[in-house]
Amino acid sequence: RKEVEQDPGPFNVPEGATVAFNCTYSNSASQSFFWYRQDCRKEPKLLMSVYSSGNEDGRFTAQLNRASQYISLLIRDSKLSDSATYLCVVLRNSNSGYALNFGKGTSLLVTP
Amino acid sequence: DGGITQSPKYLFRKEGQNVTLSCEQNLNHDAMYWYRQDPGQGLRLIYYSQIVNDFQKGDIAEGYSVSREKKESFPLTVTSAQKNPTAFYLCASSLRGTGNTIYFGEGSWLTVV
Repeated sequence: RKEVEQDPGPFNVPEGATVAFNCTYSNSASQSFFWYRQDCRKEPKLLMSVYSSGNEDGRFTAQLNRASQYISLLIRDSKLSDSATYLCVVLRNSNSGYALNFGKGTSLLVTP
Repeated sequence: DGGITQSPKYLFRKEGQNVTLSCEQNLNHDAMYWYRQDPGQGLRLIYYSQIVNDFQKGDIAEGYSVSREKKESFPLTVTSAQKNPTAFYLCASSLRGTGNTIYFGEGSWLTVV
């Protein structure tokens, strides 16, 4: 089982739609979780952290279910500018230090 | 402005040649990372360093080498031993142990012909 798994999509949705992305992780000891956004041929940028209690930032809501090792991202009222690849990211730590594990990403295309 | 600078942005090399990608940050971050991204593969960790003069292999370190002689700099050398070096290479940095402050450079596109 891969450390971080996502549905690659693509998700094609009309403007104004609500879309949800899911992600699962394999290491139950993982402590920190994030969603990054990556535009075509650009570097990833942090969209939001994911907290155990769930958190919201405008049209974006992230949730974490530790028991199921599952993370989600909900985007409401989709905009054309939301078109991008969304990366689920899990912080792994070891005796050597910390590093981020990235899922392969879920591609979103919002159409007029 | 503070940030991470990668160079060159685009690089073409002949097969069998070593090539070094530069990564410099002025964010005073302790930790630095190199990732590789291939189409449909997501980001894979090559090497990372939590402190000067120390670095660790990531998941795909074979055919690569790094050094961390200065806090600001973490160059990556793609050696001739790397079987499929053509990829998008991303350097990142963060405060030590805190993933939510990771920042990426703009990336370097390496094409080996």
